[in-house]
Amino acid sequence: GAGVSQTPSNKVTEKGKYVELRCDPISGHTALYWYRQSLGQGPEFLIYFQGTGAADDSGLPNDRFFAVRPEGSVSTLKIQRTERGDSAVYLCASSKSTDYEQYFGPGTRLTVT
Amino acid sequence: DAKTTQPPSMDCAEGRAANLPCNHSTISGNEYVYWYRQIHSQGPQYIIHGLKNNETNEMASLIITEDRKSSTLILPHATLRDTAVYYCIVRVGSHITQGGSEKLVFGKGTKLTVNP
Repeated sequence: GAGVSQTPSNKVTEKGKYVELRCDPISGHTALYWYRQSLGQGPEFLIYFQGTGAADDSGLPNDRFFAVRPEGSVSTLKIQRTERGDSAVYLCASSKSTDYEQYFGPGTRLTVT
Repeated sequence: DAKTTQPPSMDCAEGRAANLPCNHSTISGNEYVYWYRQIHSQGPQYIIHGLKNNETNEMASLIITEDRKSSTLILPHATLRDTAVYYCIVRVGSHITQGGSEKLVFGKGTKLTVNP
């Protein structure tokens, strides 16, 4: 079946611009996660949704980062006033609420120039 | 912070078993051991998990010591496609968190290189 998809695969933006990154989870998965991965590091947790609500946003680095999941399926990660330090691969994962495994998408590589 | 310690890199010959160690000396009784791997330019891929018993699936075997302070992931016949970064993660089960985030806390993992 279809896995987690993320669009775009690559995004280049200028410092100060606004970007949106999209995640389509596996159909029927109620839990959705965003992670960020810098070069040479493991993924770092950003935010978790159970259904439509953000159940844990403790990993968001500051208030420039925001994520939504209005209908409990697709999620969008939004970054305002981008900075060069935001450059990273942004990963999305989904899981069944009662399952333990998270299934990851291929990621969006964000480059802020 | 990650609760696990892994060697930064390992090499293995193609066709041989790859044994990847992980130390998790502070693991709690309700924490599972998970293994994921990340092939270059891809998202992490779930491999296997266990609580205290050894586990085996079509990808790998997981051996957990009796005191649960360490574990070993075994790829029985490594291929070139198994070259990846392997992450060992400890995580509380969802039935314990009762609605917790169940987030994964990744360390730097072990870079496994399978050589022809």
